Amino acid sequence: GENVEQHPSTLSVQEGDSAVIKCTYSDSASNYFPWYKQELGKRPQLIIDIRSNVGEKKDQRIAVTLNKTAKHFSLHITETQPEDSAVYFCAAIAAGANSKLTFGKGITLSVRP
Amino acid sequence: DAGVTQSPTHLIKTRGQQVTLRCSPISGHKSVSWYQQVLGQGPQFIFQYYEKEERGRGNFPDRFSARQFPNYSSELNVNALLLGDSALYLCASSFTGFDTEAFFGQGTRLTVV
Repeated sequence: GENVEQHPSTLSVQEGDSAVIKCTYSDSASNYFPWYKQELGKRPQLIIDIRSNVGEKKDQRIAVTLNKTAKHFSLHITETQPEDSAVYFCAAIAAGANSKLTFGKGITLSVRP
Repeated sequence: DAGVTQSPTHLIKTRGQQVTLRCSPISGHKSVSWYQQVLGQGPQFIFQYYEKEERGRGNFPDRFSARQFPNYSSELNVNALLLGDSALYLCASSFTGFDTEAFFGQGTRLTVV
């Protein structure tokens, strides 16, 4: 089955700096890669996603890149703000009858004011 | 426009008991998935239902079961509760479940004592 690994496990940046979170996946059949942000005690919220036929996608300060050959994808946050502090999860899903999201273990991003 | 709703929000049960968790998907969404999130980990896939049929099952024992109703709401049942079942149980709603955006409910925090 699919295995998604996320690194680093924690990341601390200064407000205004950029943050990059990387994930790798194992199943070459995976074709959809969402990123979720989870604040303490709250639900995971979808912040951006990318499909395998696209190499990069941007939404304001957030971007995601996908390298299918290397089987890794990354989340880029520019001009970080304290409210970006949260746990970020990457996930992958493979097309097919059993379409389940496989999540990474999450990374705790801390943005220092 | 209502999001994914889950009930109850918190629950305390004793070992050996049974529990039923409920989920109502976003209007128009036909797929519901259940995930278990233990502290410090990413959500783990339990079940996916689409059009009232089970589409996928994760690596969980038979004590876990679920169903989906004609109105697309869903229940997750866990029998013979163990201490290790203590977790946040998340329901995710998506239009078809086939590599489409999934939106999470706020979760049910289950504590087994």
